[in-house]
Amino acid sequence: AQSVTQLDSHVSVSEGTPVLLRCNYSSSYSPSLFWYVQHPNKGLQLLLKYTSAATLVKGINGFEAEFKKSETSFHLTKPSAHMSDAAEYFCVVRAGGTSYGKLTFGQGTILTVHP
Amino acid sequence: DTAVSQTPKYLVTQMGNDKSIKCEQNLGHDTMYWYKQDSKKFLKIMFSYNNKELIINETVPNRFSPKSPDKAHLNLHINSLELGDSAVYFCASRKQTGGTDTQYFGPGTRLTVL
Repeated sequence: AQSVTQLDSHVSVSEGTPVLLRCNYSSSYSPSLFWYVQHPNKGLQLLLKYTSAATLVKGINGFEAEFKKSETSFHLTKPSAHMSDAAEYFCVVRAGGTSYGKLTFGQGTILTVHP
Repeated sequence: DTAVSQTPKYLVTQMGNDKSIKCEQNLGHDTMYWYKQDSKKFLKIMFSYNNKELIINETVPNRFSPKSPDKAHLNLHINSLELGDSAVYFCASRKQTGGTDTQYFGPGTRLTVL
């Protein structure tokens, strides 16, 4: 079985300050981990993914995430928030084995960016 | 040149009606998915097809019936719509054989049942 917990339902930052969105996972197999972003009334866009290569993963729009197996975490960070980053972010896990690519989503974290 | 498309984008209907949502992908992928996003924004997988064969079938009422006429299409038919079916439904696709883990999502279909 696999699960994802996003530790904050809402995060609020000022423009130009760092962003940290926290995610913990559990998986019976070596997982693949993803962060997706959903802007209001829009679809889901892939930000970045970890698939057992480098543990520090760089994504689009300056985001990055670090896979820490010992902590079962995959936190998303960005050094400097931009107004356009305001959206909902989903941490997602896909277990290995024969899960046929089944994704399990976290509950989502709404990021608000203040001017 | 949309990768994963869904129609319609919005669907408003009465309780008890039957409706369909269509999904098409032009990425050459062999696996397609339907997800439901509820009012709390929680996303949960419903179904998945690989090469037109059903491979994931989560605990979903049998009023929901997916149909895959070919690898590029996965439609979702819903019978006897209920208020609780109101949600945003997302289609996604992936290349399972020789591909990556990445699933590409469509723009979503917002279903409102009155």
